Amino acid sequence: DAGVTQSPTHLIKTRGQHVTLRCSPISGHKSVSWYQQVLGQGPQFIFQYYEKEERGRGNFPDRFSARQFPNYSSELNVNALLLGDSALYLCASSLGLAFYNEQFFGPGTRLTVL
Amino acid sequence: AQKVTQAQTEISVVEKEDVTLDCVYETRDTTYYLFWYKQPPSGELVFLIRRNSFDEQNEISGRYSWNFQKSTSSFNFTITASQVVDSAVYFCALSEVAGSQGNLIFGKGTKLSVKP
Repeated sequence: DAGVTQSPTHLIKTRGQHVTLRCSPISGHKSVSWYQQVLGQGPQFIFQYYEKEERGRGNFPDRFSARQFPNYSSELNVNALLLGDSALYLCASSLGLAFYNEQFFGPGTRLTVL
Repeated sequence: AQKVTQAQTEISVVEKEDVTLDCVYETRDTTYYLFWYKQPPSGELVFLIRRNSFDEQNEISGRYSWNFQKSTSSFNFTITASQVVDSAVYFCALSEVAGSQGNLIFGKGTKLSVKP
């Protein structure tokens, strides 16, 4: 079975631009979460979506937004990019919403903002 | 406030040595889960173990073992007879029933280098 997939693998943008990252969860998983991992740090929670609704949001500015589609895939959008947005963006899927569900992570999208 | 601390930033061992990675957590919840993930250079986080707050039994899986002690809020991870393939960054994470549903709170990670 395919794991969590993310696209693109790498991305280079300049300050002020907009970016869209994509994630496809494991088949049967209805929950998708997004995390930002800055170099040398642990992942930080950005959003969780379940059944196309936002169910959790971390401490990130409104420049960050996301959505989930009927097929449970998800997009993360970041507007007005800053140098500090350079990071590995990880998507994770899980069966449900519960806090005890194991989250399966994708390989990530490495975003570089110049 | 909830927090996970991994005080060891980097550890270097020689193959076949045993190594313990420390994890200390803070939470006000009585119901929570603790996790360990491995992140090899490829970047993908690999799930290793999940432990709930009501189960303090230690667990062993092959060369891996975990020691959960609520009294000291610690969930330490030991690799016995380390191998070069164990080289990676290891993250401890906390998930609580309160707060944002389903999100993981990660520590900063411990980079383990196992040299031949």
